[in-house]
Amino acid sequence: AQSVSQHNHHVILSEAASLELGCNYSYGGTVNLFWYVQYPGQHLQLLLKYFSGDPLVKGIKGFEAEFIKSKFSFNLRKPSVQWSDTAEYFCAVEASGSARQLTFGSGTQLTVLP
Amino acid sequence: GAGVSQSPSNKVTEKGKDVELRCDPISGHTALYWYRQSLGQGLEFLIYFQGNSAPDKSGLPSDRFSAERTGGSVSTLTIQRTQQEDSAVYLCASSLPSQVGQFFGPGTRLTVL
Repeated sequence: AQSVSQHNHHVILSEAASLELGCNYSYGGTVNLFWYVQYPGQHLQLLLKYFSGDPLVKGIKGFEAEFIKSKFSFNLRKPSVQWSDTAEYFCAVEASGSARQLTFGSGTQLTVLP
Repeated sequence: GAGVSQSPSNKVTEKGKDVELRCDPISGHTALYWYRQSLGQGLEFLIYFQGNSAPDKSGLPSDRFSAERTGGSVSTLTIQRTQQEDSAVYLCASSLPSQVGQFFGPGTRLTVL
């Protein structure tokens, strides 16, 4: 079974600071990787995904993530955060080709100070 | 509709009562998932439906939990004899079988008193 670790539970940044949220997964096979975001009072939204090809993927709102297979990592980055990025961020993994359930990390609460 | 819808948005019930939670997936999405989001356990997979295939029930925490999907569209998650530890937000998601990534609904917040 796969597992996902998000090491930062709560990150506080000032506007314009750079962001990197860590995500590591454990699984021996091929995976699809995701970052979801949950803004206050809203439902989970897909931020970006990786399933093949270029390991550097770009998502909405200026976010990007890099899949490093050798490190089993899929870290989320944004060069300059905004107050509106305040949200909870979840990394998730799906084992390719099998039952399609997502395994989520515990989430990282990002607070951006204006 | 444009997105996944769930009802009710909030449900308060007494311990021991049964509850039914409903999910309407995005039109045309044949894959449907239920997850639970709680403070102690984070986001957990519960059950997965794909078309007419037998559902993957591997995430259901006990036999008090069951789900069905009628006509390949709407799904109902039923929790019998609710317990306080069932309090959580129950999320539904849907996708196309060839699509990578799931679309989530707003969830049903269940509170068991």
